[in-house]
Amino acid sequence: AQSVTQLGSHVSVSEGALVLLRCNYSSSVPPYLFWYVQYPNQGLQLLLKYTTGATLVKGINGFEAEFKKSETSFHLTKPSAHMSDAAEYFCAVSVPSGTYKYIFGTGTRLKVLA
Amino acid sequence: GAVVSQHPSRVICKSGTSVKIECRSLDFQATTMFWYRQFPKKSLMLMATSNEGSKATYEQGVEKDKFLINHASLTLSTLTVTSAHPEDSSFYICSAGRVQKNIQYFGAGTRLSVL
Repeated sequence: AQSVTQLGSHVSVSEGALVLLRCNYSSSVPPYLFWYVQYPNQGLQLLLKYTTGATLVKGINGFEAEFKKSETSFHLTKPSAHMSDAAEYFCAVSVPSGTYKYIFGTGTRLKVLA
Repeated sequence: GAVVSQHPSRVICKSGTSVKIECRSLDFQATTMFWYRQFPKKSLMLMATSNEGSKATYEQGVEKDKFLINHASLTLSTLTVTSAHPEDSSFYICSAGRVQKNIQYFGAGTRLSVL
């Protein structure tokens, strides 16, 4: 069975500072991994995904994540936070079995301080 | 590309009425669609997986007679909340699975308020 753990339900950073949102997963088979962002009262927008190949994945809005199998991690980073990055971020894991079923983490609310 | 439209965005209804929410994939065919429920400041809870032309698969604890799902075409799935009660008030989000990309694309969500 798969599971996802997001450490830190709330993260605050200053504008211009590094953003680091943590995600650890558990999966018995090589997983697909995703980061989504949700703004208030909106659906989820895909930031980036890892399926196979290069372990450092670049996404939209300057975000990137690195798949580390040895650490079972897929942390999300951005070098310099912007006020518009304030939102809820979800990490998700999927097993490439054709069902596309996701297991979501509990989410991390990012607050950007001026 | 990969746009999923969800309608309505907000609905307020009286207790005992039924509400239908539509989820459409606008520019791709979605053999699989998903319905989630999100409580305030919580993560998404998968309610059911909907495959075109077949019965939906419901997650444990989700009442299939309360939440009726129909996936009549490759671009449309509907969720009907039957005999809605205040405890059904929530944010409902659909997503569509894109075969070639192994990704779910999400609708903007529907805020249901049952009075």
